[in-house]
Amino acid sequence: EPEVTQTPSHQVTQMGQEVILRCVPISNHLYFYWYRQILGQKVEFLVSFYNNEISEKSEIFDDQFSVERPDGSNFTLKIRSTKLEDSAMYFCASSGAGIGQPQHFGDGTRLSIL
Amino acid sequence: QKEVEQDPGPLSVPEGAIVSLNCTYSNSAFQYFMWYRQYSRKGPELLMYTYSSGNKEDGRFTAQVDKSSKYISLFIRDSQPSDSATYLCAAYQTGANNLFFGTGTRLTVIP
Repeated sequence: EPEVTQTPSHQVTQMGQEVILRCVPISNHLYFYWYRQILGQKVEFLVSFYNNEISEKSEIFDDQFSVERPDGSNFTLKIRSTKLEDSAMYFCASSGAGIGQPQHFGDGTRLSIL
Repeated sequence: QKEVEQDPGPLSVPEGAIVSLNCTYSNSAFQYFMWYRQYSRKGPELLMYTYSSGNKEDGRFTAQVDKSSKYISLFIRDSQPSDSATYLCAAYQTGANNLFFGTGTRLTVIP
């Protein structure tokens, strides 16, 4: 069964450094998402991406965050200057075309900021 | 954010029991409702997906949505130890992309 893959599974970074999290969505999907889950808290929406542009973003997704689809298969989340509070699990998801298609998630990248 | 509320448990049941997991939500514009299962160190895995009110059954799993009371339920029949996981409810509205998740209920099925 097709799946969303994320790399790396665990990323350790010094505060203030830039980090890029990578995702390969399901191949025929057109909508892409990033969510995060701080330990012990809910999964929270960050951003959605369609047709090479951001379609929706949350208050969390401020200027230090950016997303990109650099080629036909990858979808990336960049955090420019990491803070301690950015430590979380980051999940990528994708969904197909059409209204109300369910979102399928990858296994996440655990980001630890030191 | 309190868009979707879920009892975090934990919930422990003996093998073979019927499990009932529940969520409430506040946004009456929500039209799509999902249940995800999350094993330790894994991402949310889509389990059930329903549109608007009603029931949906898939094997041992039944999802129910009651929009009048803003209540979402997942029933697991003949529960198995392999069902031990965290179950997340989620919802979103037509025209929006962002899923709102509950906190998740941690379920343990004891052999």
